[in-house]
Amino acid sequence: SQTIHQWPATLVQPVGSPLSLECTVEGTSNPNLYWYRQAAGRGLQLLFYSVGIGQISSEVPQNLSASRPQDRQFILSSKKLLLSDSGFYLCAWSPSGTGRETQYFGPGTRLLVL
Amino acid sequence: AQSVAQPEDQVNVAEGNPLTVKCTYSVSGNPYLFWYVQYPNRGLQFLLKYITGDNLVKGSYGFEAEFNKSQTSFHLKKPSALVSDSALYFCAVRGVDTGRRALTFGSGTRLQVQP
Repeated sequence: SQTIHQWPATLVQPVGSPLSLECTVEGTSNPNLYWYRQAAGRGLQLLFYSVGIGQISSEVPQNLSASRPQDRQFILSSKKLLLSDSGFYLCAWSPSGTGRETQYFGPGTRLLVL
Repeated sequence: AQSVAQPEDQVNVAEGNPLTVKCTYSVSGNPYLFWYVQYPNRGLQFLLKYITGDNLVKGSYGFEAEFNKSQTSFHLKKPSALVSDSALYFCAVRGVDTGRRALTFGSGTRLQVQP
């Protein structure tokens, strides 16, 4: 069966510091991968998605970036965090191919920028 | 562009009563539709989806949803609510014919089931 991992679970960082959040998927190959941010416990904002290694689509311009160095690894980064980057970050995967659209979410990382 | 509306921020229902969480969508062409549930400080869990076929879709934990194309709706229902159903529920959509893989989520509806 497939599993998705995110770490760290919780992170407290000062403004201006760098960020690296990691997401890995097990039990599948060539998944589609997604990063979402959830602010104030409500709506999800899609940040990035990837259909393959090195292929990243950005949904919202901001000071975050994403990379996919390996097939099942998706990394969310920032060079300098802002207060507004605080939130709950969720990684998700879906099977490749048409008609297999269901996304499966990781446990999330709660980021607090002070 | 595709969008999802969940018109109710919160739904309150007594345990044992039926519940409905509303969702309407807008896409070009036919939709893929999904419901997810989120418990506090957790990721989203997949409940059910409509891809094609029967308009009534059954999912996990006794939930079901009915696809209504003419009303562009996909309301989530359960015949008898449990206190443990209290959580945040998200509806999501993706247009079948769009090249974009990502789903568009609604703003969420908080379900509160009172004992």
